[in-house]
Amino acid sequence: AQTVTQSQPEISVQEAETVTLSCTYDTSESDYYLFWYKQPPSRQMILVIRQEAYKQQNATENRFSVNFQKAAKSFSLKISDSQLGDAAMYFCAYRSSIKGAQKLVFGQGTRLTINP
Amino acid sequence: SQTIHQWPATLVQPVGSPLSLECTVEGTSNPNLYWYRQAAGRGLQLLFYSVGIGQISSEVPQNLSASRPQDRQFILSSKKLLLSDSGFYLCAWRPPFAGAGELFFGEGSRLTVL
Repeated sequence: AQTVTQSQPEISVQEAETVTLSCTYDTSESDYYLFWYKQPPSRQMILVIRQEAYKQQNATENRFSVNFQKAAKSFSLKISDSQLGDAAMYFCAYRSSIKGAQKLVFGQGTRLTINP
Repeated sequence: SQTIHQWPATLVQPVGSPLSLECTVEGTSNPNLYWYRQAAGRGLQLLFYSVGIGQISSEVPQNLSASRPQDRQFILSSKKLLLSDSGFYLCAWRPPFAGAGELFFGEGSRLTVL
């Protein structure tokens, strides 16, 4: 079974700095999808960024980018120029690309605090 | 555009009482639907998913059940709540033939069992 591990329960960073959230996963599959979700205090989960494993290029969405290291099974999220609104729980997630696969496996989450 | 709603947002129930949480999706048809539970300080655990009306798959044996009486309606139920059922419940959906297949989540329902 696939597993997702986020080794940083909490991270604190100063506003405008860059921060990196770590995520590793375990799978025997060669094709899959990876996601980072944000859960702000309002509690509604929001997709931040996605990465298809067959794509070598790292995904980028404005200030958010990933460092996808397939061989190392690592999928870190970098937030540049961090803002107060970035404060939230961040979850890394994995989904198999096998047809019919339904399960999105989540890590334990990392709580990001932004200090003004 | 598609939207997802779940209710109630907050619920406090005594041990042994029944439970019904409801989730509806608008603006799409034949969505895949999911119930996740998030315990305090922990990640998300998939409880149930459904790929069609009346089709329910259970991921974790437990005190809960799910039903899908209509295409865009997903209900989480229990006949008798346990203390361990407390948590934050999230409903989610995705299009049935989506490629990357990210989930879209509802606002969540916080259940406290006393």
